[in-house]
Order: sequence, then structure tokens, then C-alpha cells
Amino acid sequence: NAGVTQTPKFRILKIGQSMTLQCTQDMNHNYMYWYRQDPGMGLKLIYYSVGAGITDKGEVPNGYNVSRSTTEDFPLRLELAAPSQTSVYFCASSYTGATNYGYTFGSGTRLTVV
Amino acid sequence: QQQVKQSPQSLIVQKGGISIINCAYENTAFDYFPWYQQFPGKGPALLIAIRPDVSEKKEGRFTISFNKSAKQFSLHIMDSQPGDSATYFCAASMMVGSRLTFGEGTQLTVNP
Repeated sequence: NAGVTQTPKFRILKIGQSMTLQCTQDMNHNYMYWYRQDPGMGLKLIYYSVGAGITDKGEVPNGYNVSRSTTEDFPLRLELAAPSQTSVYFCASSYTGATNYGYTFGSGTRLTVV
Repeated sequence: QQQVKQSPQSLIVQKGGISIINCAYENTAFDYFPWYQQFPGKGPALLIAIRPDVSEKKEGRFTISFNKSAKQFSLHIMDSQPGDSATYFCAASMMVGSRLTFGEGTQLTVNP
């Protein structure tokens, strides 16, 4: 049981480049989330999805896009990368919302934009 | 309304001591308060959680204390061990179909 798998683990992008951060889960969780983690800032929600075909913005969605075509996959797209997007990105999933079961997080993608 | 404020930002404790991390929230609709533990290079993992119908929850050396009137909750780590060295996040949400709002995180170092 792999849980939540994120790829790649590390990436360096040049300003203006684009990339997709991959996230897949094998727990049949309905809810999936993308967070970014910056030092001293905690975890900020970028986008989330409550099921296949349904996505919604979180606190910091600008510069990002998501899609949810299947229950398992929730890729995050960065268009026109900027230095402000340098961060560690975490994908998470949960069974239903944040109730008894909590979130299962992936191990993160460390992105540097230069 | 959605903020969760966490303190301290960093904490150094001697082995065997008590580690205390505090959080305060604003939104009175929050009714689920988990704590997550994150080791370097890993994603956060659920440690312990509480709902506001109880004032305290204990799991092993970890205890959450909850003060509904003050809108505050805290994590106590008894007999702290070097293996507890990690970043701890408090969080809050409404129970049904809601997202977690995280605090800023506390980097705990337990010296041997």
C-alpha cells in the first residue's frame, strides 16, 4: 500500500518555464489537496478536490491549475514559473473531509525557480 | 476568521522534559483540532486530534488540552525524547466536508 505518491522529489525550473507536479493515491480517497510549505508560514492550501471532476481554489491558487479526471490522480500545473513559487509542495488525500481519519500526505516535491 | 496562530516558532527541550506548543483560533465554527508531526524530508502525519466536547485527550506521552472559551488548544509532550525532534503543526477545521487550516509550525529540538 503506497499511500500518496508524489513525483518528482526535486526540481529546478527557470523563470517562465512550466511543469506538472504529479500526485497519485491508492487508498480510494475522495478528497485530495495541494499545499505549499514555506519556512515559518505553515501549510497553505492551493487547490483541493472532493471527487473526480470537481476542483476548487484554496488560499493561494494564483499561478497554479489542477485537474481531477480520476479518483487516484490530482496533478498540479505551474504555468510561467516565478521565484515566488519556490517552495515545498505537498499533496494529501482523505476519506471524507478532515474527520476521524485525518490527511495522508505524500513526501513532497521541493521546487526551486531560478 | 480562518486563521490558526501557533507558538512558539521553535522550541528546545532537554531529554525527559515537557514540550508545550500552543495554538489559538478565531473561527468559532471550527470543531476538529488535529496535530500533525513532520520529520525532515517527509510529509506531515496525523499525531493526535480532539473535538471540543472534551477538554483533554491523551495518547501515550502526547496530550491535547482544549479551552473552548479561550479558543485555544495546546500539545504537551511528556518525557520528551530526541526522537520527538520534528516540526509540529496544529490545525483546525469544521467536521463535515471542510479543509484543514494549519498553524505556522513549531520546530522542536530535544537535546540528549
